[in-house]
Amino acid sequence: DQQVKQNSPSLSVQEGRISILNCDYTNSMFDYFLWYKKYPAEGPTFLISISSIKDKNEDGRFTVFLNKSAKHLSLHIVPSQPGDSAVYFCAASKAGSARQLTFGSGTQLTVLP
Amino acid sequence: DVKVTQSSRYLVKRTGEKVFLECVQDMDHENMFWYRQDPGLGLRLIYFSYDVKMKEKGDIPEGYSVSREKKERFSLILESASTNQTSMYLCASSFEGEQFFGPGTRLTVL
Repeated sequence: DQQVKQNSPSLSVQEGRISILNCDYTNSMFDYFLWYKKYPAEGPTFLISISSIKDKNEDGRFTVFLNKSAKHLSLHIVPSQPGDSAVYFCAASKAGSARQLTFGSGTQLTVLP
Repeated sequence: DVKVTQSSRYLVKRTGEKVFLECVQDMDHENMFWYRQDPGLGLRLIYFSYDVKMKEKGDIPEGYSVSREKKERFSLILESASTNQTSMYLCASSFEGEQFFGPGTRLTVL
């Protein structure tokens, strides 16, 4: 049973517009959430994170929103750039051994020039 | 800057061979992880280690083993490679929270 779900395998957005990537989770014990970006043939790189005590975290063009009651988080990229084209994974963790991450299946974002 | 390195970027092995994938991190992190990434399935945790000589099974440990003799090094072993182990293998390390990933090893088992 997937505890972290990204229901959109792909998303296309025009350059300069907003990209919104969504993620849902089922385990209410998760208290820390992260977004990673992955280019082909490279390892994932950390983008932004949010603790469950917050509902929003911003870093430049990237903002993550957390709705705990809906068990939903989203990543907003504004403005989108062609270099943002990559696979985006959301991940969640809970307190415990080594703070393991549970990943979603990923969303391929394509930003069109 | 955290650096996680993996011994090979690409590897081709035959069914039944023993395969070693090596991972080294230079940030003195306590925790190290091995994942495999397959299309449509995201990253799935195979094994992790929270200290030297300590290991725990992840979600898909079958067919794999691990070794952590030194803090900076975490090895993934495929005792007898099979074609369904063809995948991208990713190593990561962390102190807490954010994990830092290596570049990955694309393993093909023929």
